[in-house]
Amino acid sequence: QSVLTQPPSVSGAPGQRVTISCTGSSSNIGAGYDVHWYQQLPGTAPKLLIYGNSNRPSGVPDRFSGSKSGTSASLAITGLQAEDEADYYCQSYDSSLSARCVFGTGTKVTVL
Amino acid sequence: EVQLVESGGGLVQPGGSLRLSCAASGFTVSSNYMSWVRQAPGKGLEWVSIIYSGGNTYYADSVKGRFTISRDNPKNMLYLQMNSLRAEDTAVYYCAREFPYNSGWAPGGYWGQGTLVTVSS
Repeated sequence: QSVLTQPPSVSGAPGQRVTISCTGSSSNIGAGYDVHWYQQLPGTAPKLLIYGNSNRPSGVPDRFSGSKSGTSASLAITGLQAEDEADYYCQSYDSSLSARCVFGTGTKVTVL
Repeated sequence: EVQLVESGGGLVQPGGSLRLSCAASGFTVSSNYMSWVRQAPGKGLEWVSIIYSGGNTYYADSVKGRFTISRDNPKNMLYLQMNSLRAEDTAVYYCAREFPYNSGWAPGGYWGQGTLVTVSS
């Protein structure tokens, strides 16, 4: 059971803005550890989308943005496109866990 | 170019063993933080294990004592030895390399395509 909680699903029409929350605690996000976001298109391996809370790797469109505050983080997708339909996972570090790294529960983004 | 290719998955009976391999190219496994991540059918991602460049290893509680992560430096390979397998270990297993940046590192910077492990009688 993940210690990072995300909404199971969000949806939006093409061109709209959607946000995905990632809620943690004082042992992970609240402890100051960075949050990273991954996109998983159907049938493919995950891909790093946002690193260090708000940075995009080369090649990731600027319609994807990340932020972090307190014990939570958010991923925003502006100008939603059909190709953005995928599963999105936040990830951080948790000093209380034996595996140290932890994923969020995952959010399915549907483009209406 | 960083490339990761997993192999070794397949069908195994409960209680059996399997060793997964991850062939790396374009970088040196021993100089990076390498992880195994799994995804059960229709479920989310779960961190299984990580090995740091210094050799420290960490495991999820769900696999501790049954799985062992290791690397072969001359072959530039990463492994996951899985013993006492259970039905709930059925998943696609991915190997991943970290993405370093100025103030830290993201564990899942680069991913392989995954290998399916099915535990069933």
